Amino acid sequence: DTAVSQTPKYLVTQMGNDKSIKCEQNLGHDTMYWYKQDSKKFLKIMFSYNNKELIINETVPNRFSPKSPDKAHLNLHINSLELGDSAVYFCASSQDPNRGGDGYTFGSGTRLTVV
Amino acid sequence: GESVGLHLPTLSVQEGDNSIINCAYSNSASDYFIWYKQESGKGPQFIIDIRSNMDKRQGQRVTVLLNKTVKHLSLQIAATQPGDSAVYFCAEKAGTYKYIFGTGTRLKVLA
Repeated sequence: DTAVSQTPKYLVTQMGNDKSIKCEQNLGHDTMYWYKQDSKKFLKIMFSYNNKELIINETVPNRFSPKSPDKAHLNLHINSLELGDSAVYFCASSQDPNRGGDGYTFGSGTRLTVV
Repeated sequence: GESVGLHLPTLSVQEGDNSIINCAYSNSASDYFIWYKQESGKGPQFIIDIRSNMDKRQGQRVTVLLNKTVKHLSLQIAATQPGDSAVYFCAEKAGTYKYIFGTGTRLKVLA
């Protein structure tokens, strides 16, 4: 039973298109995240949500809009895709850090290729 | 600026030897660190963590050492096995909800 699941696993699309990546966790965690991993394997946080509220937005372009319908889901919508958006996007979750939770459980990633 | 970096981008070791992966961090106030392992096509997986009130922590075949004086972390893997081949990241807790990841070290285990 997958703890943090992302769909799709692969996404190839043309520049200018709009696409969404979905993430769901069944761990009962309060906090969810989106990270971007570039071609050099560098992982950088994009967003963090705690109990459906946006906590962190790391200077991500407005074309990226996260949505958390409930604390088990954090979806990522990207408008007007650009070549530089090509990367692997990881969803992660953790227990509420304010209640002693540490460390993330990551999904298996969504490889986005913009052509 | 804030950064967590690694000295060696690729490390090749013979099967059965010990591996040491290093990491430097910049924020002396950081109080919690994690090592993650990322296998090809998968997300990072938690290996071991350490809090700043400790210098050393051991797990199964892995040991993390923390030197706060020089802001340095290392991950030691004993008797390295082919299944240990992966990219290893250190991560520094930079806020309640945020970790900063290092640039990663690729470990290659040679048969």
